[in-house]
Amino acid sequence: AQSVSQHNHHVILSEAASLELGCNYSYGGTVNLFWYVQYPGQHLQLLLKYFSGDPLVKGIKGFEAEFIKSKFSFNLRKPSVQWSDTAEYFCAATGTASKLTFGTGTRLQVTL
Amino acid sequence: DTAVSQTPKYLVTQMGNDKSIKCEQNLGHDTMYWYKQDSKKFLKIMFSYNNKELIINETVPNRFSPKSPDKAHLNLHINSLELGDSAVYFCASSQAGASDEQFFGPGTRLTVL
Repeated sequence: AQSVSQHNHHVILSEAASLELGCNYSYGGTVNLFWYVQYPGQHLQLLLKYFSGDPLVKGIKGFEAEFIKSKFSFNLRKPSVQWSDTAEYFCAATGTASKLTFGTGTRLQVTL
Repeated sequence: DTAVSQTPKYLVTQMGNDKSIKCEQNLGHDTMYWYKQDSKKFLKIMFSYNNKELIINETVPNRFSPKSPDKAHLNLHINSLELGDSAVYFCASSQAGASDEQFFGPGTRLTVL
């Protein structure tokens, strides 16, 4: 069965610290990978996506993610977080159909 | 301009009632979705329509019935509401491809008392 897992449920960082959020997927065949962010009280917004080509993907707000096929991973990174990055982060995937399967989410809390 | 809009934003109702949530997108997308986000923030797809045709129907009680009058609208009707239906319901839309970004609405927080 297709699945996405995020092992970090709650991460607390100080401003300017580096961030890496883990995401692993289990899909047979073609996979498209996404990171979405949900700021408090808001809807989901796309940070970045990978569907082919360069496995290092750059997104909005200084975020990037690396697709490592051998590890079935798509970890999200940011070199220096800001207080405004406090949010819930969701890794998600589709196969050949457009049905998004989400991970359980990681709550990021950035302290001043 | 709001790309994907939902009404109402909040919905508080009694057990056993029937309620509807409306969704509209002005992006010209072919595909629309309903997702449920539970109290632990877990998101799960419920339904997907492509050009008014149902293409994804996850294991959802048949009390939930989506309706797509045209490809810009996808409404969700829920009969005989139960306590466990309390959640945030998100509508989304995308072009038809699996690699296409899905654009989400602001969500409808449903509370069943």
